[in-house]
Amino acid sequence: KQEVTQIPAALSVPEGENLVLNCSFTDSAIYNLQWFRQDPGKGLTSLLLIQSSQREQTSGRLNASLDKSSGRSTLYIAASQPGDSATYLCASRGNNDMRFGAGTRLTVKP
Amino acid sequence: NAGVMQNPRHLVRRRGQEARLRCSPMKGHSHVYWYRQLPEEGLKFMVYLQKENIIDESGMPKERFSAEFPKEGPSILRIQQVVRGDSAAYFCASSPGALSYEQYFGPGTRLTVT
Repeated sequence: KQEVTQIPAALSVPEGENLVLNCSFTDSAIYNLQWFRQDPGKGLTSLLLIQSSQREQTSGRLNASLDKSSGRSTLYIAASQPGDSATYLCASRGNNDMRFGAGTRLTVKP
Repeated sequence: NAGVMQNPRHLVRRRGQEARLRCSPMKGHSHVYWYRQLPEEGLKFMVYLQKENIIDESGMPKERFSAEFPKEGPSILRIQQVVRGDSAAYFCASSPGALSYEQYFGPGTRLTVT
């Protein structure tokens, strides 16, 4: 059974810092891995989707990498801003479902 | 192309009542997934449906919960005789196909059981 773990659970950084969020998964037989952002009491905003055949995806200040062999994905956020404060979720795609990590709660202080 | 729509966005039910949550997938999407997010917990898969078929319901509680995706109309997640522990955000996602296709999430329905 797929287990998805995110470290750290919470992270607080000053504005302007570059940061890395980590996601690990136990079963490498995934179809894709997706990163989401969730603001308090809100829904999910998809950030990046990496197919199993890909190594990374980039969108603006965000870069996500995928290493299936080691069961790891990272989300890199460059030049963080207070508006980046949210919970970041990673999810791996199996046959019928997506398995989510518990999330990393990011706070970017002005 | 409108995104995935869920209604109601907020639903309050008293213990013992029934809750019906609706999900309209994106146009052209025939695969629907339901997830539940309990307070201070991550999202958990509940059920995967295609038109008129339940493909995988391994995440659904065995009692009181049911789901359907009829040939016409939205997908329905039904919770009978709700209890306080059912209070959560319920998210629906849809995709045009299985496996590697991206799932697109709706805004969620927040169920509160009083």
